[in-house]
Amino acid sequence: GAVVSQHPSRVICKSGTSVKIECRSLDFQATTMFWYRQFPKKSLMLMATSNEGSKATYEQGVEKDKFLINHASLTLSTLTVTSAHPEDSSFYICSARGQGDEKLFFGSGTQLSVL
Amino acid sequence: QKEVEQNSGPLSVPEGAIASLNCTYSDRGSQSFFWYRQYSGKSPELIMSIYSNGDKEDGRFTAQLNKASQYVSLLIRDSQPSDSATYLCAVNKGGGADGLTFGKGTHLIIQP
Repeated sequence: GAVVSQHPSRVICKSGTSVKIECRSLDFQATTMFWYRQFPKKSLMLMATSNEGSKATYEQGVEKDKFLINHASLTLSTLTVTSAHPEDSSFYICSARGQGDEKLFFGSGTQLSVL
Repeated sequence: QKEVEQNSGPLSVPEGAIASLNCTYSDRGSQSFFWYRQYSGKSPELIMSIYSNGDKEDGRFTAQLNKASQYVSLLIRDSQPSDSATYLCAVNKGGGADGLTFGKGTHLIIQP
């Protein structure tokens, strides 16, 4: 399957700081990327959908000013958690889909811990 | 009503037996169905995709889809301890623009 790289895999930060997570499609062009969040023993929750060159579409209840998404190229999308708080601590996972393909391929995930 | 429902388990199956995982969905317009495997602390890994009614086999895995009854299942034959994981059912309404809607997952334990 297609390879999606996500960095960092784990980050610990102080409350109030911002954290950037990168998601790259390594061997295909990802016209659409999705960002999910998963709390322990809970299901994946879609946060936002980003299409290359356009503004991200956020799911209801997700603050777009807090979770900044940039999809500047066909191989890179970034999620920035601004002014992080302990309740933002979670497992963040990106996924990517190539043009004309319905399958989603996931990055390895980022475990964010906000102290 | 939840969009995608799965029994959270744990489902315990002896090694070598068939593990049967079930999933129901609420949107009749759903067109694509996927099974992902997720190990603890890791991201989901695609196992199977199925788009039309009937069975689809890939190695030890068989996905079954019944759109009239709105359920999709995953059978794992000759279960191995390494199959122990959480299995996520995911549904796409179609059109290519949406992300997948995931169930909460079924925790499968294969007992040696």
